[in-house]
Amino acid sequence: NAGVTQTPKFQVLKTGQSMTLQCAQDMNHEYMSWYRQDPGMGLRLIHYSVGAGITDQGEVPNGYNVSRSTTEDFPLRLLSAAPSQTSVYFCASSYGTSGQETQYFGPGTRLLVL
Amino acid sequence: QQQVKQSPQSLIVQKGGISIINCAYENTAFDYFPWYQQFPGKGPALLIAIRPDVSEKKEGRFTISFNKSAKQFSLHIMDSQPGDSATYFCAASFLNDYKLSFGAGTTVTVRA
Repeated sequence: NAGVTQTPKFQVLKTGQSMTLQCAQDMNHEYMSWYRQDPGMGLRLIHYSVGAGITDQGEVPNGYNVSRSTTEDFPLRLLSAAPSQTSVYFCASSYGTSGQETQYFGPGTRLLVL
Repeated sequence: QQQVKQSPQSLIVQKGGISIINCAYENTAFDYFPWYQQFPGKGPALLIAIRPDVSEKKEGRFTISFNKSAKQFSLHIMDSQPGDSATYFCAASFLNDYKLSFGAGTTVTVRA
């Protein structure tokens, strides 16, 4: 049971480039989400999904796209990278959607946009 | 605009001392208040959580105190150990809403 896995661990992009951050979980969790972590701002929700085929925007969705074709995978796409997207990105999953289940976080992807 | 305000930003405590982190919220509809612990280079992990119908919850050396009327809750780390050195985030969510609103985080350093 690998839990929540994320790839890559670290990425450097040039402004305007696109890329996909991968996230996978093997716990059969329905709920998955993407957060970004910036100093002094905690974790902010980018996008989330309550099941395959269903996604919605979080607090800071601009510049990011997501899709959920399977229960296991929830990739985050940066369409045209900007320096403001330099951050650490975390994927999380939880079993249920009552609001009181534990969210399990991946190890993070550190992104630097030059 | 953060819905959960956390303080202090950082604190240093001697081994065996007590670490106290405070959080405040405005929206009384919040129904669940977890604390997450994050070690450097790792993702956050759930430490302890409380619901507003309980004033205190204790798990080992970690205690959440909850003051519903003041809209505040705090984490106390008793007998702090060097292994407790980490960043701690408070959070809140609404009933039947899986989205978490996080505080800004507190970096705790425990000196041996």
